Amino acid sequence: GAVVSQHPSWVICKSGTSVKIECRSLDFQATTMFWYRQFPKQSLMLMATSNEGSKATYEQGVEKDKFLINHASLTLSTLTVTSAHPEDSSFYICSAASTGANVLTFGAGSRLTVL
Amino acid sequence: GENVEQHPSTLSVQEGDSAVIKCTYSDSASNYFPWYKQELGKRPQLIIDIRSNVGEKKDQRIAVTLNKTAKHFSLHITETQPEDSAVYFCAASRGGGNKLVFGAGTILRVKS
Repeated sequence: GAVVSQHPSWVICKSGTSVKIECRSLDFQATTMFWYRQFPKQSLMLMATSNEGSKATYEQGVEKDKFLINHASLTLSTLTVTSAHPEDSSFYICSAASTGANVLTFGAGSRLTVL
Repeated sequence: GENVEQHPSTLSVQEGDSAVIKCTYSDSASNYFPWYKQELGKRPQLIIDIRSNVGEKKDQRIAVTLNKTAKHFSLHITETQPEDSAVYFCAASRGGGNKLVFGAGTILRVKS
C-alpha cells in the first residue's frame, strides 16, 4: 500500500532558528501533498496544499513567509518553519495521494518544540 | 469553504455497548467522508470511509451512514472494546485525493 514517510519525527530547536520537515511518498508519486498542524487535544488544521512544480496554496490565516513549502519532485515536499517561536510548537503532519487515487495517506507526523 | 462539526466531544461507554459519533458538513459538493482513529502522538488511521453514492457501509464492528440531504454522517461502533479508546475524527472532501476538512474530534473511552 501507499506509504508516506515524514522526517524528523521530533525536533527541538531554539527560538529564532528555522526547521525543515520532509514528507516523502515512498512507493508512489504525489503531485499534491497536504500539510496539517495539530495542537494538543485539537483537530488537524489544514495549513497548505503543496503542488509539485508550482507554488503552494495556503489556507486563510497561514503565513506563507513563515511556513515555506517546497515540492520540488513528485515524491518530496518540505515544510520549513522559519524563525520559529514557542507558539509554533505543534505536531505537523503531511498527507499525500497518488495520482488518480482516492484515499489520502498520512505521514507519522513531526513534533516540533521551540524553546 | 467546508465546515465540519462533530459531536460529542467526549463519549464514555461500557465495554460491549455501542458508540455513535455524528458529523455535519456544509459544502454540498463534498462527496467523500472518511473517519480516522488517532492514538496519542500517532498519525490518524483511516478506519472507514463512505462516498456520496452510497448511504451506508459496514466493516465488521464499524459502520458509517450518510444522509446527503441533511448533510450529516455518523460512525457506529458496536460491541466496543477497550482498544477502541482513542480520538476519532470525521472529515469531508471533494473527492478522496483532495484536501480534507476535519471535525473537532471525539474522545472515546471504553470502560471495562
